[in-house]
Amino acid sequence: EVQLAESGGGLLQPGRSLRLSCTGSGFTFGDYAMSWVRQAPGKGLEWVSFIRGKAYGERPEYAASVRGRVAMSRDDSRSVAYLQMDSLKIEDTAIYYCARGVPAILGYYLDDWGQGTLVTVSS
Amino acid sequence: DIQMTQSPSTLSASVGDTVIITCRASQSISTWLAWYQQKPGKVPKLLIYQASTLQSGVPSRFSGSGSGTEFTLTISSLQPDDFATYYCQQYHSQFLTFGGGTKVEIE
Repeated sequence: EVQLAESGGGLLQPGRSLRLSCTGSGFTFGDYAMSWVRQAPGKGLEWVSFIRGKAYGERPEYAASVRGRVAMSRDDSRSVAYLQMDSLKIEDTAIYYCARGVPAILGYYLDDWGQGTLVTVSS
Repeated sequence: DIQMTQSPSTLSASVGDTVIITCRASQSISTWLAWYQQKPGKVPKLLIYQASTLQSGVPSRFSGSGSGTEFTLTISSLQPDDFATYYCQQYHSQFLTFGGGTKVEIE
């Protein structure tokens, strides 16, 4: 059974940094892209980033709304994907979901999701 | 980025109804489209990928169709468990985008 577990969320002040982690189990982690999707309170889903698997060069991609402030990485030996977020803004407040990506030509659909971790940015 | 527009944003229906949700892309995405279901306080769940392929374990009353810029999700014989919010997502581009969601409410 595929399982994804996020950690690292919490209450932070604007301008601070945080690192989210996503630990996968039940599948060969390195064979898949991993993605972060967030959901602000009462709002819809917003894709944040993904990182390709080893076969695709482990290259990350980022949404325009966060590009320049976030960096995604992975450690396949530990089955963990990370999202480093800097210069946090109030509008970054959301539940952050980790999801497993199944490849298409350029993008991915997301077939398994973690339970999410809440990030609250407030002064 | 490719914009995804869903309609309606809210839909009221009764158990047993057939429901159709539309998703439009701002440019052609072939059939690189997925649909997700999210219940309140729960994690999104993949229903359909490549516009019309049912994910394993998803009931056959869910179906998807379309290509290019216009897509539909159809729920036949709506069940109490189907009242939820549904999202489309394009993966034609490496910059993934979701539609704004369609909430299916009990009439």
